[in-house]
Amino acid sequence: GENVEQHPSTLSVQEGDSAVIKCTYSDSASNYFPWYKQELGKRPQLIIDIRSNVGEKKDQRIAVTLNKTAKHFSLHITETQPEDSAVYFCAASIGNTDKLIFGTGTRLQVFP
Amino acid sequence: DTGVSQDPRHKITKRGQNVTFRCDPISEHNRLYWYRQTLGQGPEFLTYFQNEAQLEKSRLLSDRFSAERPKGSFSTLEIQRTEQGDSAMYLCASSSPGQRNYGYTFGSGTRLTVV
Repeated sequence: GENVEQHPSTLSVQEGDSAVIKCTYSDSASNYFPWYKQELGKRPQLIIDIRSNVGEKKDQRIAVTLNKTAKHFSLHITETQPEDSAVYFCAASIGNTDKLIFGTGTRLQVFP
Repeated sequence: DTGVSQDPRHKITKRGQNVTFRCDPISEHNRLYWYRQTLGQGPEFLTYFQNEAQLEKSRLLSDRFSAERPKGSFSTLEIQRTEQGDSAMYLCASSSPGQRNYGYTFGSGTRLTVV
């Protein structure tokens, strides 16, 4: 069945450093790849997304890259700040549908 | 309209009891989704609606689970004869009409504890 793997499960960085989270997906028909940030006890919030016809997308300090051939996509956060600390989930659409399959999450800790 | 609302925020129930959760999506969103999230895991798809039509149910959704969206606005998720394995966060999300794969807006969830 469809699967999304996410690495690493935890990531600790110093404030100002960059953080990279990687995901791989199994469904070659997936065409939509969002990233969600979930702070403790709060709802997942969409922070950036990318569609399969685009290789890279950037929004201020956050960027996502997609390699369709390798079925990889990554989240890059530059100039990290303590408020970036949260659990980040990648997701991939199940084919060309509205359903998403999520990765297992990465707990990012940014130390001042 | 401040987003997707879910009620209750927390529910503790005894095994074997029935529970019902409510979700109020963003008013102009015609798609509504239910996901379940257990500790340390990402959300898992349960079911989704377009307007009042339930389009798909995951195999995770046993016969004890039923969801409705009677007027295409709010939705309810009922779990009958709850089991300890049903303990989880139940998340509702909605999305904007007119464009497939538009990002979800999640609610804050209902945390269910079955004792």
